[in-house]
Amino acid sequence: GAGVSQSPSNKVTEKGKDVELRCDPISGHTALYWYRQSLGQGLEFLIYFQGNSAPDKSGLPSDRFSAERTGGSVSTLTIQRTQQEDSAVYLCASSRTGGDTEAFFGQGTRLTVV
Amino acid sequence: GQSLEQPSEVTAVEGAIVQINCTYQTSGFYGLSWYQQHDGGAPTFLSYNALDGLEETGRFSSFLSRSDSYGYLLLQELQMKDSASYFCAVRDSTGGFKTIFGAGTRLFVKA
Repeated sequence: GAGVSQSPSNKVTEKGKDVELRCDPISGHTALYWYRQSLGQGLEFLIYFQGNSAPDKSGLPSDRFSAERTGGSVSTLTIQRTQQEDSAVYLCASSRTGGDTEAFFGQGTRLTVV
Repeated sequence: GQSLEQPSEVTAVEGAIVQINCTYQTSGFYGLSWYQQHDGGAPTFLSYNALDGLEETGRFSSFLSRSDSYGYLLLQELQMKDSASYFCAVRDSTGGFKTIFGAGTRLFVKA
């Protein structure tokens, strides 16, 4: 696609429910990143994929968070048993390769847990 | 681990020059990037420095000193549209090439 696409753009969920956030990276980009941004804050690194493999999962906040990537393309971030502190904007980015210096970001998914 | 420090807020007037500093600590430093983010928007890439020195791209320049673990973004001829948050980010070669972001500097440009 022309850019990184994320869906849904907004998600409101009840505390305790599971949510899935989707990221479609730019076609041909092998590296994919997930970040979390709370209001007025910086970008918190969650996980990085090179192809379908995740060399670094160190940023996932708890075992309620998981992510996968299939076919070297689409990635899904799953949050189980959501808590209010999970409310944030979840941003996905991709780059041509893991060594590429420029990452292209999607518009993010704004998650609100009520 | 990695950590980055940058000022939380900077204010400048239209037409002026502003410098946003960034200091970092990381075990596998590979390079320093700068991103711009307008309210409600996605971060967009501005520049990248892997080697010491100044990189210039139009009104924006970025500097890196690896020995000092320090860099800065220089914005010249400020325009109102430059009001945004600016993030420095380090590329870290440990665990694959991941990019870690600072907390961001909010730039307010006044008329």
